[in-house]
Amino acid sequence: DAKTTQPPSMDCAEGRAANLPCNHSTISGNEYVYWYRQIHSQGPQYIIHGLKNNETNEMASLIITEDRKSSTLILPHATLRDTAVYYCIVRVGSGGGADGLTFGKGTHLIIQP
Amino acid sequence: GAVVSQHPSRVICKSGTSVKIECRSLDFQATTMFWYRQFPKQSLMLMATSNEGSKATYEQGVEKDKFLINHASLTLSTLTVTSAHPEDSSFYICSAYRGQNYEQYFGPGTRLTVT
Repeated sequence: DAKTTQPPSMDCAEGRAANLPCNHSTISGNEYVYWYRQIHSQGPQYIIHGLKNNETNEMASLIITEDRKSSTLILPHATLRDTAVYYCIVRVGSGGGADGLTFGKGTHLIIQP
Repeated sequence: GAVVSQHPSRVICKSGTSVKIECRSLDFQATTMFWYRQFPKQSLMLMATSNEGSKATYEQGVEKDKFLINHASLTLSTLTVTSAHPEDSSFYICSAYRGQNYEQYFGPGTRLTVT
């Protein structure tokens, strides 16, 4: 799986959009970009994934650059409950796959009141 | 839907004893379950992959005789930490894979403290 690079931490004001970047310059053509988050002392939670088109669901939007070397996760109206560590993971196949996930260090997003 | 539970949520045991952690998929059948370990201020590390009815596959550096995994049914996998030592104290998290076109769903984790 391709390696990803994320900033270690970010702050965002409550109610504003949180934009979390991820670099994956060595991504292959058949690799998807996944985002998970982990709230303190809980198991990770799936957020969204995409291949090359922008994706949106009830939780977030995923913007992938045309060259697919980077992406941005957008939480449109951040709340205090969005404070968590966000992981960007690049892996082959959609649907999660039957392989274990490789977690990097992620970005610790802190939502400020 | 797609709920995964773990039991217990917290356990404290004495050095040298064994501890069993259960992972259950409550509303779906999981063809594959995964076990992860997370030390304080670190990221999750995959320990092993278990498929129902077959032997688990362990990641490099994980002792299979110390971390016994049993996946007896499509809804239950267990991790037994044998002869636990203080360095085994960690947050153990399981995930369950529902099958093609579904994501992995994570349990809430089990905090193990070995005294």
